[in-house]
Amino acid sequence: RKEVEQDPGPFNVPEGATVAFNCTYSNSASQSFFWYRQDCRKEPKLLMSVYSSGNEDGRFTAQLNRASQYISLLIRDSKLSDSATYLCVGWGGKLIFGQGTELSVKP
Amino acid sequence: EPEVTQTPSHQVTQMGQEVILRCVPISNHLYFYWYRQILGQKVEFLVSFYNNEISEKSEIFDDQFSVERPDGSNFTLKIRSTKLEDSAMYFCASSDVGDPGGQETQYFGPGTRLLVL
Repeated sequence: RKEVEQDPGPFNVPEGATVAFNCTYSNSASQSFFWYRQDCRKEPKLLMSVYSSGNEDGRFTAQLNRASQYISLLIRDSKLSDSATYLCVGWGGKLIFGQGTELSVKP
Repeated sequence: EPEVTQTPSHQVTQMGQEVILRCVPISNHLYFYWYRQILGQKVEFLVSFYNNEISEKSEIFDDQFSVERPDGSNFTLKIRSTKLEDSAMYFCASSDVGDPGGQETQYFGPGTRLLVL
């Protein structure tokens, strides 16, 4: 089983839509979790950490289900500027990246 | 805001040549990392470095790769004899245990795009 697995997309949504990304992980990537954002040909940038109780940062909500080894990211009221690749990342002594889910927000 | 810098931004080299990729981590950080991303693929861990030695390396990081911290500010990745499959974006990252997220909160440089012909 891949350490961190994501649906690659692409997700094409209209502005204002709510979009959800999912991610599963294996035991080797299971200490902590993050969502990163990567714009085309740029470096990954930390979007938010994922806490066991779930956490929210503005329009972004992250959830963790340890029993199912499942992580999610919800983006509400999506903006054109949200278009990017969203990387689900685990920590197992180093960052362990999923392959990313591409999001395209259209006018 | 402090940032990680990398040079060069792009490098083209012939197969079999040696390349050195350079990184300047954030000045008070103690943990340093190299990752690579082959075009269209995921970001992959190569190596972590702490206290002037390698703390962990991946299967990718074979004998043709080496890292060094030659002075107090630079962190380099050397590829001794490049292969076509080494073509990728190479990202340097740094972190500090003193940050709220500790070692796990890594700051990435903008990357060096390496093309091996």
